[in-house]
Amino acid sequence: QVQLVQSGAEVKKPGSSVKVSCKASGGTFNTYSISWVRQAPGQGLEWMGGIIPIFGTVNYAQKFQGRVTITADESTSTAYMELISLRSEDTAVYYCARGIIPYDYGDQFDYWGQGTLVTVSS
Amino acid sequence: SYVLTQPPSVSVAPGQTARITCGGNNIGSKSVHWYQQKPGQAPVLVVYDDSDRPSGIPERFSGSNSGNTATLTISRVEAGDEADYYCQVWDSSSNHYVFGTGTKVTVL
Repeated sequence: QVQLVQSGAEVKKPGSSVKVSCKASGGTFNTYSISWVRQAPGQGLEWMGGIIPIFGTVNYAQKFQGRVTITADESTSTAYMELISLRSEDTAVYYCARGIIPYDYGDQFDYWGQGTLVTVSS
Repeated sequence: SYVLTQPPSVSVAPGQTARITCGGNNIGSKSVHWYQQKPGQAPVLVVYDDSDRPSGIPERFSGSNSGNTATLTISRVEAGDEADYYCQVWDSSSNHYVFGTGTKVTVL
């Protein structure tokens, strides 16, 4: 059974950066895309971007281009999402989610991490 | 960018049928997936590829997709179905995933 376990909650100052991790276990890590999806308090799901670890290819939502960096470490089966220049509007729960198509993006997400709350406050 | 529109809320009595729509331009040409999210939990896939169910999802959950509207149908609604529901597609023109605006299902 695949499990995605994320790092713990973070409190950050405006203008700083945050890096959230997502460690996979129980399945093949590097051939499936890992995406990051965030959810602001009381709001809907928002796709931020993803990576296919075996290729290192990244795909970012236009809204986050220039502010987000998604990486993956195949040796530890861990994906990372770094968001810079944080503002209060970035306060949200950040989820990692695995795509179901090997070697590509598209279709649905079958496994999700438990979520990481990032609070941006002065 | 591609937009998916859902009604903010749907209310249904126990034992009745809930229908949640997801509107998008020519959405019938795309594969639509549906997630259920309960408070404080990660989303769970309940329908994929318009109408298929992952293992462990009750047959009460079904889906359809045609034209500009996809629909998630929950038959014989139970109290445990109360949750937020999101549709999702892959937009091949932008190579981005897109989520719907979300619908809160309330069981009366």
